[in-house]
Amino acid sequence: GENVEQHPSTLSVQEGDSAVIKCTYSDSASNYFPWYKQELGKGPQLIIDIRSNVGEKKDQRIAVTLNKTAKHFSLHITETQPEDSAVYFCAASKGGSYIPTFGRGTSLIVHP
Amino acid sequence: SQTIHQWPATLVQPVGSPLSLECTVEGTSNPNLYWYRQAAGRGLQLLFYSVGIGQISSEVPQNLSASRPQDRQFILSSKKLLLSDSGFYLCAWSSTDRDTIYFGEGSWLTVV
Repeated sequence: GENVEQHPSTLSVQEGDSAVIKCTYSDSASNYFPWYKQELGKGPQLIIDIRSNVGEKKDQRIAVTLNKTAKHFSLHITETQPEDSAVYFCAASKGGSYIPTFGRGTSLIVHP
Repeated sequence: SQTIHQWPATLVQPVGSPLSLECTVEGTSNPNLYWYRQAAGRGLQLLFYSVGIGQISSEVPQNLSASRPQDRQFILSSKKLLLSDSGFYLCAWSSTDRDTIYFGEGSWLTVV
């Protein structure tokens, strides 16, 4: 089955810096890669996603890149703000499967 | 638009007592439904998923069970709780024609 590795497990940055979280996957058939943000005590919320026919996608300060050859994808957050502090999860799934495989999460801490 | 409701938000139960967590989805029909758990740490553990009424698949054998009595209702139950059942329980849904999973706000269960 699919295996998703996520790094780092904890990331500490100063406000205004950029943050990058990386994930690798094992199943070359995976074609959908969402990212979730989970604030303390709340359920994960989808913040951005990308499909395998696209190499990069941006939404304001957030971007995701995908390298199908290397089987890795990354979340980039620019101009970080304290409210970006949360746990971020990556996931991978493939067409026909309604069960994504999640990474173990990255705790992002943005210091004011 | 679609919404997901999950309750209760917080629950403190003694060891050996029963459990019932409920989840409903509005604004869609025949959704895929999921129960996840987050124990200590950040990982998302899939417990059960359902692709239709009465169709339940279990991912992890334990003293929990799930039922789907109606199209948009998903219930997580236990006859006798263990201390190890403590955690953050998340209901989620996806549509049958899309990959994206959407999570509820979660239920905190503390078994004492």
